[in-house]
Amino acid sequence: EAGVTQSPTHLIKTRGQQATLRCSPISGHTSVYWYQQALGLGLQFLLWYDEGEERNRGNFPPRFSGRQFPNYSSELNVNALELEDSALYLCASSWGRDSNQPQHFGDGTRLSIL
Amino acid sequence: QQQVKQSPQSLIVQKGGISIINCAYENTAFDYFPWYQQFPGKGPALLIAIRPDVSEKKEGRFTISFNKSAKQFSLHIMDSQPGDSATYFCAAFSGGSYIPTFGRGTSLIVHP
Repeated sequence: EAGVTQSPTHLIKTRGQQATLRCSPISGHTSVYWYQQALGLGLQFLLWYDEGEERNRGNFPPRFSGRQFPNYSSELNVNALELEDSALYLCASSWGRDSNQPQHFGDGTRLSIL
Repeated sequence: QQQVKQSPQSLIVQKGGISIINCAYENTAFDYFPWYQQFPGKGPALLIAIRPDVSEKKEGRFTISFNKSAKQFSLHIMDSQPGDSATYFCAAFSGGSYIPTFGRGTSLIVHP
């Protein structure tokens, strides 16, 4: 069974640009979660999608947005990039809206802002 | 506001020793407590998890101890091995929100 896959592995952008990160969940998983992992700050919750709908978002500005497609894959878009957006962005998937189900993580996209 | 406090930030243990990582929480609505292991360049992987209705759960060399009254839980790694060197995150789920709150992580180094 293929795990959660994320692309690209690395992404280099400059301030003010826009970045698009992609995630394919484990087959059968309907929920996709996005996290930002900045150095020393642990995992900060960004967005949660389930069945194509945004279910919850963390304490991030509106320039962080995303969507979930009918095949349950997901995109994270970051507009007007700032230096502090440099981080590892992790995607996770699970069976659905049930805390009994563990989240399975991809290996992340390393976003570097120059 | 940090809802899950994890300590220590870093830990160095000799091979064969016991590694202990602690987490404390405040939100009594939390009802699921997983631990994740993350190697460099990889995403976190679920290691072991516990619910508040049990005080201890053991899987191989890894044990979670849970103290509901103190609102604390800890990960014990017995007979620590160099291959255990990684960053460990505790987390807490509230069934009402389905979004976990993570601790800030503990960097574990096991010397041969």
